[in-house]
Amino acid sequence: DAGVIQSPRHEVTEMGQEVTLRCKPISGHDYLFWYRQTMMRGLELLIYFNNNVPIDDSGMPEDRFSAKMPNASFSTLKIQPSEPRDSAVYFCASSLEGVQYFGPGTRLTVL
Amino acid sequence: ELKVEQNPLFLSMQEGKNYTIYCNYSTTSDRLYWYRQDPGKSLESLFVLLSNGAVKQEGRLMASLDTKARLSTLHITAAVHDLSATYFCAVDNSKGGSNYKLTFGKGTLLTVNP
Repeated sequence: DAGVIQSPRHEVTEMGQEVTLRCKPISGHDYLFWYRQTMMRGLELLIYFNNNVPIDDSGMPEDRFSAKMPNASFSTLKIQPSEPRDSAVYFCASSLEGVQYFGPGTRLTVL
Repeated sequence: ELKVEQNPLFLSMQEGKNYTIYCNYSTTSDRLYWYRQDPGKSLESLFVLLSNGAVKQEGRLMASLDTKARLSTLHITAAVHDLSATYFCAVDNSKGGSNYKLTFGKGTLLTVNP
């Protein structure tokens, strides 16, 4: 298996622009997680899905963030409008029975 | 709210030495995970500890879990430079059945010097 796939790997955008991050989980995994990692705040869980249904979005920082999982093999995390404080590495992870497998991450820089 | 505390947060050690990283958590859980992250890379699963008294070993690393003390340890034996990385512990939030939501510690940055 190719593992969790994320795209893009790097994104540089200007404040106010819309950003869409993409994730393809490992086939057969029924949980999908979105995390954000920064030096200041560490690794934060933003939202997670079970069988494509959002279970807990309490970690989503504000209404500018939204996530969808239209099918078992694809999820998006959208930021609109983006702000410099959103600069971070965003990880997607998937799991079947506990162990979470992380994707390579998307490094987002908002200027 | 589940809190997970690791210590130390920074660890500089010499090759060949032994050391232990500690992971304390605040509420009942019997599922704990250890991950490794190399600089600029993703997180890689190292160990899964699923019951009280569980012990797992891989090479120079050994992890254990004491659910009564709410404590896990990651012991490093005869450290080598290749072990330099950030190590995270993560605890399953759920009680009883699992929703597999994890709370991560802040990580321990380990540097092994020659």
